[in-house]
Amino acid sequence: QKEVEQNSGPLSVPEGAIASLNCTYSDRVSQSFFWYRQYSGKSPELIMSIYSNGDKEDGRFTAQLNKASQYVSLLIRDSQPSDSATYLCAVNIYSKTSYDKVIFGPGTSLSVIP
Amino acid sequence: DAGVIQSPRHEVTEMGQEVTLRCKPISGHNSLFWYRQTMMRGLELLIYFNNNVPIDDSGMPEDRFSAKMPNASFSTLKIQPSEPRDSAVYFCASSSEYGDNEQFFGPGTRLTVL
Repeated sequence: QKEVEQNSGPLSVPEGAIASLNCTYSDRVSQSFFWYRQYSGKSPELIMSIYSNGDKEDGRFTAQLNKASQYVSLLIRDSQPSDSATYLCAVNIYSKTSYDKVIFGPGTSLSVIP
Repeated sequence: DAGVIQSPRHEVTEMGQEVTLRCKPISGHNSLFWYRQTMMRGLELLIYFNNNVPIDDSGMPEDRFSAKMPNASFSTLKIQPSEPRDSAVYFCASSSEYGDNEQFFGPGTRLTVL
């Protein structure tokens, strides 16, 4: 099992709809979770971080974390064409060497159709 | 405040040549990461440094790859000799010990080996 998994997509949603992006991870003791957005030809950009179970909202973005089920999701409300990008889930993986490591998922490609 | 700086932004070279990629992390950040991104393999961690010391180089593909961080504001990734399969986008990222492992990415270097 891969450490961080995401559906590769592409996920297509109409403008104004809610886009739901999901991510599962294998390390039960992970404590930090991140969502990055990457536009084509650009570098990943951090958009959300979440550390506690439940929801965290920031504008049109809501991150949801369920540690018991080992999944984290990102909801984008009122999706806009400018949200079209690849979304990378990243999880802080505990390391026995005492230095934690952030592992990125393969990313989900989102396309918002006008 | 300047973000992570990488140079060159584009590099085209011939197989067998030496390639050196450069990175300047965000001032005050004490962790630095080198990633490689391809369509096939996604975003792969090659090596990361903490306080200028290499912590995990398990992602370095083979002995042709080497990385150094002589001081807190500069790192290099060298490929010698380069091969066509090394063609990819190489990202450098940095993070602060005072955060929760949020990484900030540079613009990347697009490497093409002919």
